[in-house]
Amino acid sequence: GAVVSQHPSRVICKSGTSVKIECRSLDFQATTMFWYRQFPKQSLMLMATSNEGSKATYEQGVEKDKFLINHASLTLSTLTVTSAHPEDSSFYICSASKGAWNTEAFFGQGTRLTVV
Amino acid sequence: QKEVEQDPGPLSVPEGAIVSLNCTYSNSAFQYFMWYRQYSRKGPELLMYTYSSGNKEDGRFTAQVDKSSKYISLFIRDSQPSDSATYLCAMSGGTDKLIFGTGTRLQVFP
Repeated sequence: GAVVSQHPSRVICKSGTSVKIECRSLDFQATTMFWYRQFPKQSLMLMATSNEGSKATYEQGVEKDKFLINHASLTLSTLTVTSAHPEDSSFYICSASKGAWNTEAFFGQGTRLTVV
Repeated sequence: QKEVEQDPGPLSVPEGAIVSLNCTYSNSAFQYFMWYRQYSRKGPELLMYTYSSGNKEDGRFTAQVDKSSKYISLFIRDSQPSDSATYLCAMSGGTDKLIFGTGTRLQVFP
């Protein structure tokens, strides 16, 4: 199967600090990785798409300077929430794709971020 | 109007029942249709993937796509308490981003 590991699963941080979330494809090389945000009882909202070795493509309304994405290798992408505030508290989920197609994307376990 | 509409539920059924979950969509360019299962505080797990119209069966799960009506369904036969989760439909035109429904929360009681 295709396994995507996301770490940490839960993090609590103080307002103003930065938090890094890792997403790894364990048994395949991920050409493309996606970062989503999910609010309670709401759908997954795509934040950005990242391709290995290039800059991420952010969705409209997502601050690229606040949500830094690095896709340094074919198996690792990171999302850094900079200067976090309570309104950034949410469930963040990554997915990794074997190809350029969304249909081959597999999801990580998600990270529950709480900013206090 | 949202691109993908899905009844949030909750849908509560007894064990053994047949469950029908549905989504409607507005974008006729969608060609790829997925169903994901998401347990509480976990990432979505791909259950079924269908290209264009038609049916697809995998064990107790059957996915149907009716492109003429812009309507997709997921049927779960012989539902089990372990099927209790949120079910998300998702779709795309292929190389563009996935569009998700809000998810339907399913509860199967013993």
